[in-house]
Amino acid sequence: GDSVTQMEGPVTLSEEAFLTINCTYTATGYPSLFWYVQYPGEGLQLLLKATKADDKGSNKGFEATYRKETTSFHLEKGSVQVSDSAVYFCALSDRDTDKLIFGTGTRLQVFP
Amino acid sequence: DTAVSQTPKYLVTQMGNDKSIKCEQNLGHDTMYWYKQDSKKFLKIMFSYNNKELIINETVPNRFSPKSPDKAHLNLHINSLELGDSAVYFCASSQMIRREQFFGPGTRLTVL
Repeated sequence: GDSVTQMEGPVTLSEEAFLTINCTYTATGYPSLFWYVQYPGEGLQLLLKATKADDKGSNKGFEATYRKETTSFHLEKGSVQVSDSAVYFCALSDRDTDKLIFGTGTRLQVFP
Repeated sequence: DTAVSQTPKYLVTQMGNDKSIKCEQNLGHDTMYWYKQDSKKFLKIMFSYNNKELIINETVPNRFSPKSPDKAHLNLHINSLELGDSAVYFCASSQMIRREQFFGPGTRLTVL
């Protein structure tokens, strides 16, 4: 079945460092891809999305590009802030079943 | 205004009890979901409803019974609670199947 694999965390960075969180997926068909963020004690917020190959999603300085050839959707940010500390989830939405399938989440910790 | 709300935020109860979690969305969406997040932060879909009709039932024990009285509400009733039911339960909604989902703040259920 469909699945999402994320890099294990935690990812620990200093403020203003470059961030990459890897995400790869396995799916039949052509899923939509998402990054959600969960701040401590809160629910999930949609960070960005891409619905077809080569689409780039971007929001709040974060970017991810839908790469069909490598089945990847890596999250990047050029300069992280302490306020970016959270758990980041990569997810796919299968076009036939309507399920959101999540990766295991990657905790990001940013220190001043 | 809260888009997707859940009550209660915290629920502590004894094994064997029956409890309910309520979810309401004011976004005008026609599809609602329940997800379970375990202690390792892993998120998995449980149910989805579209226009009050059950669409996904993801092999959840039948002690869990969702109820959708109208498009804006999807409640989760759990009978005979077990220790393993302890988790954070998230409600979500979307406009039409396969669109991005908006999540509530979560309900942390602790079964003693």
